[in-house]
Amino acid sequence: DSGVTQTPKHLITATGQRVTLRCSPRSGDLSVYWYQQSLDQGLQFLIHYYNGEERAKGNILERFSAQQFPDLHSELNLSSLELGDSALYFCASSATGGTGQPQHFGDGTRLSIL
Amino acid sequence: GQNIDQPTEMTATEGAIVQINCTYQTSGFNGLFWYQQHAGEAPTFLSYNVLDGLEEKGRFSSFLSRSKGYSYLLLKELQMKDSASYLCAVRDKGESNYQLIWGAGTKLIIKP
Repeated sequence: DSGVTQTPKHLITATGQRVTLRCSPRSGDLSVYWYQQSLDQGLQFLIHYYNGEERAKGNILERFSAQQFPDLHSELNLSSLELGDSALYFCASSATGGTGQPQHFGDGTRLSIL
Repeated sequence: GQNIDQPTEMTATEGAIVQINCTYQTSGFNGLFWYQQHAGEAPTFLSYNVLDGLEEKGRFSSFLSRSKGYSYLLLKELQMKDSASYLCAVRDKGESNYQLIWGAGTKLIIKP
């Protein structure tokens, strides 16, 4: 158990819809990262938050947005969903995001678009 | 540019030793991580290298040569449960603003 909690575990929805994925980091961790992993593909970095502020953006579509709240949990919002958005979405956390700190991953949310 | 290369797939025998290579090109190297990922599960942290040399952790060891842009993960006394994908990730302080650049992963198949 990594200590990172993601909900829901599975999500099935239709094209054009909007969903929200939730992540609670490990106790004490200030940095939260979101990744997308499509079937048999590598991890694609989406976005990084540190203590409520956006730190870096990766290949995140404009239809996607995220935020980190004062209690440090984070949400990833996906809108106008397309079939290609079907993937495993991981959240990871680390203490501060500094050198040498590994990221600890949640179990992921599997999103299926029908 | 930034790039990480790993073999797509490797096969090894239970009880044997296997070495998974990773080569990288980044604008500002700031550490290299190895993760294990079983199919459909979360990646789990295995090892970290920032200085040249070998880091040993039980059955797993990881080596780094910064001048060659090269790392390997060495797995000894292979067990069936080691069948998984192994991900190499480099922290880049240049273009990627200290984010991890991930390789596509090496799928390791262990045969009895």
